Amino acid sequence: SQTIHQWPATLVQPVGSPLSLECTVEGTSNPNLYWYRQAAGRGLQLLFYSVGIGQISSEVPQNLSASRPQDRQFILSSKKLLLSDSGFYLCAWQRDRPNEQFFGPGTRLTVL
Amino acid sequence: KNEVEQSPQNLTAQEGEFITINCSYSVGISALHWLQQHPGGGIVSLFMLSSGKKKHGRLIATINIQEKHSSLHITASHPRDSAVYICAVKTTSGSRLTFGEGTQLTVNP
Repeated sequence: SQTIHQWPATLVQPVGSPLSLECTVEGTSNPNLYWYRQAAGRGLQLLFYSVGIGQISSEVPQNLSASRPQDRQFILSSKKLLLSDSGFYLCAWQRDRPNEQFFGPGTRLTVL
Repeated sequence: KNEVEQSPQNLTAQEGEFITINCSYSVGISALHWLQQHPGGGIVSLFMLSSGKKKHGRLIATINIQEKHSSLHITASHPRDSAVYICAVKTTSGSRLTFGEGTQLTVNP
């Protein structure tokens, strides 16, 4: 069976510090991978998605970036965090048939 | 106007009540998802449907493609059903999901 992991579960970082959130998927190959952010009291916002190694599409301009160094690894990064980067970050993978997405446990990021 | 609208935004019910959450969308879709987000933040996929009706335990999801509307029903609600319920659609033009803002459901004992 497939599982999706995210770490860390919670993170408190000062403004201006770097960020690296990791997502890995097990039990499937060549999945579509997604990074979402959910700000407090808001809906889910798609940040990045990837259809393969090294292939990243960005949905919104921001100071975040994403990379996919391996088939089942998706990394969200920032060189300098802003207060507005606080939120709940979710990674998801999607299988082809049917097109259903499965979410990781999430990372709660607080930027102080 | 959001492409996916949910109503109500907040819903409080007494244990045992029948609950309905609505979702309307304005784009062409290939599938609609109902998701449940627990207080800790974790998200679980409840249903994915493209037509008709699906049932899982006390949960029922329906979709009317012509009216661009879906409903999630919970029968015999229980306090453990308290969560945010999110409607999301997969548009025919892409592989991404577009999300509603969610409905916060609180079921009191």
